[in-house]
Amino acid sequence: QLVLTQSPSASASLGASVNLTCTLSSGHSSYAIAWHQHQPEKGPRYLMKFNSDGSHSKGDGIPDRFSGSSSGAERYLTISSLQSEDEADYYCQTWGTAIRVFGTGTKVTVL
Amino acid sequence: EVQLVESGGDLVQPGRSLRLSCTGSGFTFGDHAMTWVRQAPGKGLEWVGFIRSKAFGGTTEYAASVKGRFTISRDDSKSIAYLQMNSLKTEDTAVYYCSRDYGGASDYWGQGTLVTVTS
Repeated sequence: QLVLTQSPSASASLGASVNLTCTLSSGHSSYAIAWHQHQPEKGPRYLMKFNSDGSHSKGDGIPDRFSGSSSGAERYLTISSLQSEDEADYYCQTWGTAIRVFGTGTKVTVL
Repeated sequence: EVQLVESGGDLVQPGRSLRLSCTGSGFTFGDHAMTWVRQAPGKGLEWVGFIRSKAFGGTTEYAASVKGRFTISRDDSKSIAYLQMNSLKTEDTAVYYCSRDYGGASDYWGQGTLVTVTS
């Protein structure tokens, strides 16, 4: 079963960096994922699509502060130089031929 | 500029039906699969289903939680995707979002429309 696991919360100080992790279920370590930012009362915002080989494509206007990486079944989103507007829920997403799957989300708090 | 606008959300009783619309602009609507995603109060994002482009048969896929009750369709001449929801349950209460599919990922999202199912 295709499942994505995320930690419930993460926090860091203004101007610091925070690393978010998304773990693919067993047998799915080669899958690509996407990262989305979801602020309250807004529609989600696509950040980037990230493949297991490290190739990626960012959404329109996504600053360089947002970057992705991977290792095995884990996919990472790093937000550098944290700003107050980065406080949001972050979801990873993956897909198969007939399915789309979202992770449980990580709430990022900017201290 | 790519834009997606959902509409049709409402307060309905359990067992009733509701149809949501997702109107796209700023891109060739017919070239893309379209996905519906929902967020129940206090919960995370949940995939509902998607419809492939006509080039890929225009076929649909659904999450187990809605299969047999929800139907996704599209009218490419109007750049609209629909989500027909039948036999609604209280647990279908959520904000419903549509998104454009980009090789599996949702690369543009609407602002959402609220569906409340309550007696």
